[in-house]
Amino acid sequence: EAQVTQNPRYLITVTGKKLTVTCSQNMNHEYMSWYRQDPGLGLRQIYYSMNVEVTDKGDVPEGYKVSRKEKRNFPLILESPSPNQTSLYFCASSLRGGFLNYGYTFGSGTRLTVV
Amino acid sequence: DQQVKQNSPSLSVQEGRISILNCDYTNSMFDYFLWYKKYPAEGPTFLISISSIKDKNEDGRFTVFLNKSAKHLSLHIVPSQPGDSAVYFCAAGHFMKTSYDKVIFGPGTSLSVIP
Repeated sequence: EAQVTQNPRYLITVTGKKLTVTCSQNMNHEYMSWYRQDPGLGLRQIYYSMNVEVTDKGDVPEGYKVSRKEKRNFPLILESPSPNQTSLYFCASSLRGGFLNYGYTFGSGTRLTVV
Repeated sequence: DQQVKQNSPSLSVQEGRISILNCDYTNSMFDYFLWYKKYPAEGPTFLISISSIKDKNEDGRFTVFLNKSAKHLSLHIVPSQPGDSAVYFCAAGHFMKTSYDKVIFGPGTSLSVIP
């Protein structure tokens, strides 16, 4: 089944403790992206990647890192999480960067709480 | 400043009646608009889209209307069904043929269809 898989689904952590949220897709998509969803703000893009070894900042990149060493994986790294990073996170992928032609496939989300 | 606005955080509609979800945008460069639907504990899924060369697009029970002069679009669901209860995100983008399409999501409207 074609899908985007995120892990973990739920995570509670403490301020300052490094964490990684994994994202993997099995559709050979070139484009991958991370979003966070917050009440009243919708989905805001954190980072995106047009292809392997090519990443760029989205609208809210502060406090996050990403890497794209393989086509299928796009982990989101929080080096020193803070409570304002408590949010619902979504990974998305697309055949190419052309969202409007190809659409996004979203993962099921990761609910992160930083205390 | 939000470029895509959904001013109704929630909406309740009786089963069988029409649901109308509204979306306003500020950026006149947007030329493609989409609606995504999200159930709890799942990622958003694509519902319907419209390009700026059209003013209406229909897919079964779902119709999207675009008023470019007012920078407004709406999603009509007729008849509404309990399974339509979800959060609906409006998204707007600027089609860029040779590169990454920048897409902005609205904050979402939670629709409840009452049996």
